[in-house]
Amino acid sequence: NAGVTQTPKFRVLKTGQSMTLLCAQDMNHEYMYWYRQDPGMGLRLIHYSVGEGTTAKGEVPDGYNVSRLKKQNFLLGLESAAPSQTSVYFCASSPLNSYEQYFGPGTRLTVT
Amino acid sequence: KQEVTQIPAALSVPEGENLVLNCSFTDSAIYNLQWFRQDPGKGLTSLLLIQSSQREQTSGRLNASLDKSSGRSTLYIAASQPGDSATYLCAVDSGNTGKLIFGQGTTLQVKP
Repeated sequence: NAGVTQTPKFRVLKTGQSMTLLCAQDMNHEYMYWYRQDPGMGLRLIHYSVGEGTTAKGEVPDGYNVSRLKKQNFLLGLESAAPSQTSVYFCASSPLNSYEQYFGPGTRLTVT
Repeated sequence: KQEVTQIPAALSVPEGENLVLNCSFTDSAIYNLQWFRQDPGKGLTSLLLIQSSQREQTSGRLNASLDKSSGRSTLYIAASQPGDSATYLCAVDSGNTGKLIFGQGTTLQVKP
């Protein structure tokens, strides 16, 4: 099993550009999450999904959109990137009967 | 609003020493608490998950305890090794939804 994978690993965007981060898991987990990690702020939840076709807002959802069209994939979109969105983004998943979360390796995004 | 604090922010110990990492949370109404390990430039690895009804969990040289009434958890590492050097994060789930609130972590260095 590959576990949780994230694409891409690194990306540099200019202000105003858009992009989509892809998270994929092969563990048949129901729940999936997107976090951002910033120095001094720790990890903060952006959006999450409790199943295919569902999404919900987390702690810092502004400027991001998400979609969960397939159970194994969770996409995070930035429609108009801003320098404040420079961060490391982590995806995680957890099974229905346990909230133990399994994390991907992260995507380092820089917005100039 | 739930807040999670980890003290100290950094810790350096000689190899072989037993050590305790601390985590405190402001709202005792939690469903579970998780301890994670993060190596530099990597994702998070789940170490232990303690349900609210449990007092402790053990895995190898690691033991995590939970005292809901005082809003505290500790991670005990026995016979520390240089390979234990990493950042340790605790996170609480207050809503039984998997939405975790993270502390900012304790960076541990174990010197040979």
